[in-house]
Formats: sequence, structure tokens, C-alpha cells
Amino acid sequence: EPEVTQTPSHQVTQMGQEVILRCVPISNHLYFYWYRQILGQKVEFLVSFYNNEISEKSEIFDDQFSVERPDGSNFTLKIRSTKLEDSAMYFCASSEAREGGGGYFGPGTRLTVT
Amino acid sequence: GNSVTQMEGPVTLSEEAFLTINCTYTATGYPSLFWYVQYPGEGLQLLLKATKADDKGSNKGFEATYRKETTSFHLEKGSVQVSDSAVYFCALSDKGGGADGLTFGKGTHLIIQP
Repeated sequence: EPEVTQTPSHQVTQMGQEVILRCVPISNHLYFYWYRQILGQKVEFLVSFYNNEISEKSEIFDDQFSVERPDGSNFTLKIRSTKLEDSAMYFCASSEAREGGGGYFGPGTRLTVT
Repeated sequence: GNSVTQMEGPVTLSEEAFLTINCTYTATGYPSLFWYVQYPGEGLQLLLKATKADDKGSNKGFEATYRKETTSFHLEKGSVQVSDSAVYFCALSDKGGGADGLTFGKGTHLIIQP
């Protein structure tokens, strides 16, 4: 069964450092998303991406964040200067179409900012 | 804005017991509703969905009915198994589908004892 993969599974970084979280969506999918879950809190939408541009973003997704599809398979989330409050589980998701609902989520990357 | 409220866990049941996990929502318009399941170490998996009032989503013995009058989407299963132990998330989206702009509940940890 096709699946979304994410690397690394756990990333530890120091405050102020840049991090890049990587995702490989399902190969024929066209829509890509990032979500995050701060420990003990809800899963929150960050951004959706289609046709090489951001289609929606939440208030959380400020100038510190950026997304990119650098090649035909990867989808990345970059945080330019990490803050303690960026510590969370980051989930990537993809879907074949916008209609229908649901999407496929990866297992997540746990980011710890010290 | 949109919000989802689901019962706090953990919920502990014996094998073959009847399961109900309550979920209520607040949204403008007519959102699509989802249940996701997260097994240990894995990503969020779409369990079932309903896109309009009175629709029933079902999968793997789980069911949920979109109740517009009570703004609810309670998850039920007639006879749970140990393998159903996981975290269950209720979610909604008014963005048309895929995994776009999902609003999640906090998740309910379900523990099934043999």
C-alpha cells in the first residue's frame, strides 16, 4: 500500500538554527500539506501546496516557515530560525485530489528545539 | 472559527465491548467530517468520512453518522478488539477535501484490554 514517508523521525536542534523537514508524498498525488501537533495539544494545519505554490496557509505559518518541492518526489518544510515553541510533531500529508476528503498522512517528525 | 470537541481519554474497555467516542463540532456552512486513527509509531490514517448531513461513514466495523441537527459525528463500534487500541481524532474541513485546512479534535486514546 502506498504511504507518505518523512525524515528524520526525530530532529534535535538549538534555538536559532535552521531546520528542514523532509517528506516524500505518494507518487501520483498533487496536493501536499504540513500539520503540526505540539505535545498535548491539537493537530494544527500549517499549509497546503499545489502546482508549486502555496494554496492555503494558517496564521501559524509566518515568515519563519517556507515550503518547497525541490524535485519530483520531495516536499520540504523549512523553519529559518527555530524557537522553543516550534518543538512539536510535524506531519506531512498528500492527496490525489482536493475533493473527496481525508488525504494520507506520514508518521511525523518530532522536532525538539533546545 | 471552526472547532472540534471530542471526549477526553484515555478510554479503557474490555475486548468485545461496545465503543462510542463522542465528537461535536462548530463550523460555518457544511463541512466534511472525518475520523482518523493513529497507531503507535505511525501516521494519521483516515478511518472514515462523511461529506453531508445524514451520511454514514463506515470502515473496519466502525461507523459514524453526520448529524447536522446536533452538530455531532460520534464514532461507534459494536465489538472492539485489542488491535483497535490507538488514538482516534475527529476532524472537519470546509475547504473542499483532500487534507486541506483540517480542524482536529485533541484525540481520544483508546485502550482495549483482553
